[in-house]
Amino acid sequence: AQSVSQHNHHVILSEAASLELGCNYSYGGTVNLFWYVQYPGQHLQLLLKYFSGDPLVKGIKGFEAEFIKSKFSFNLRKPSVQWSDTAEYFCAVNARGGSYIPTFGRGTSLIVHP
Amino acid sequence: DAGVIQSPRHEVTEMGQEVTLRCKPISGHDYLFWYRQTMMRGLELLIYFNNNVPIDDSGMPEDRFSAKMPNASFSTLKIQPSEPRDSAVYFCASSLIRGAGYNEQFFGPGTRLTVL
Repeated sequence: AQSVSQHNHHVILSEAASLELGCNYSYGGTVNLFWYVQYPGQHLQLLLKYFSGDPLVKGIKGFEAEFIKSKFSFNLRKPSVQWSDTAEYFCAVNARGGSYIPTFGRGTSLIVHP
Repeated sequence: DAGVIQSPRHEVTEMGQEVTLRCKPISGHDYLFWYRQTMMRGLELLIYFNNNVPIDDSGMPEDRFSAKMPNASFSTLKIQPSEPRDSAVYFCASSLIRGAGYNEQFFGPGTRLTVL
């Protein structure tokens, strides 16, 4: 079974700072990777996803993530955060050819100060 | 499409009472998931269905929890009797499995349950 580890539980930044949230997974086979975002008081929604092809994935609102297979990582980045990026961020992985059920990380709480 | 619909959005009840949470998945989706979110434990998968059939309920915390999916457009999560430690936000999500196990989940707005 796959597992997902998000190393940063809480991140506090000022506006315009750069962001990188770590995500590592454990699974030996081919995976699909996701980042979801949960704004305060709202439900989770998809931020970006990776299935195949270019390992650098562009998402909404200027977010991107890079899949590094050798490191089993799928880190989320944004060059300049805004106050409106304050949210909880979840990394998720599902294994191809196995369970179609994604495994979610514990989440990272991001607070951006104006 | 209206997305995943959950009701009620907020539920306040007293310990010992029965609580029923409802979910309407996106039409055409073949998987439905129930999650619980708390500060202490994060996002936990409770149970999921495929084509209305429960596949894995190993995440259901106790026998007080039960879930049903009588048809493709409706599911319930029931807690009987409820306890204060059940207080959480309960999310329903649905998805459609496509090639290569593509499984983007669409979440509902959640039900915030408070058990006094």
